[in-house]
Amino acid sequence: NAGVTQTPKFRVLKTGQSMTLLCAQDMNHEYMYWYRQDPGMGLRLIHYSVGEGTTAKGEVPDGYNVSRLKKQNFLLGLESAAPSQTSVYFCASKSGTDTQYFGPGTRLTVL
Amino acid sequence: DAKTTQPPSMDCAEGRAANLPCNHSTISGNEYVYWYRQIHSQGPQYIIHGLKNNETNEMASLIITEDRKSSTLILPHATLRDTAVYYCIVRVHISGTGTASKLTFGTGTRLQVTL
Repeated sequence: NAGVTQTPKFRVLKTGQSMTLLCAQDMNHEYMYWYRQDPGMGLRLIHYSVGEGTTAKGEVPDGYNVSRLKKQNFLLGLESAAPSQTSVYFCASKSGTDTQYFGPGTRLTVL
Repeated sequence: DAKTTQPPSMDCAEGRAANLPCNHSTISGNEYVYWYRQIHSQGPQYIIHGLKNNETNEMASLIITEDRKSSTLILPHATLRDTAVYYCIVRVHISGTGTASKLTFGTGTRLQVTL
């Protein structure tokens, strides 16, 4: 099992550009999550999904959209990137009452 | 959501036990305490969790006070590879979603293991 994978690992955007971050898990997990982590801080929940076709807002959802068209994939979209969205993005997944397993992260810089 | 308080940093000599405290005085009766660690900006790694009993696994031990208002993560023989930021988290159930839950991360404790 690859576990939780994230694509891309690094990306640099200009203000106003759009992009999609992909999270994939091969553990057949129901729940998936997107977090962001800014320097010196803990992770903050952006959006989450409790199953295929469902999404919900977390603590800091503004400026992001998500989709869960397939159970194994959770996409995070930035429609118009802003410098404030410079961060490291982590995806996680879990099943039932199990623990959350995290991906390696995507480092995004918005100029 | 229940909040956790941890010291910002701690040092530990290699081979000694590392005891990382956490205060979670507002925890509810059915909320679990989780510990994760993050090594050099990698994805957080699960360590251990518990509800009210002490727990032990191959990585660590978790001691939860009887009133559940605080806990201590114990790494019995710390090594240089244990240098990381350790997060104490209260897992909160998301109502109306079955078994979905969320983890609210604080700023954690930066553990530095030295020779």
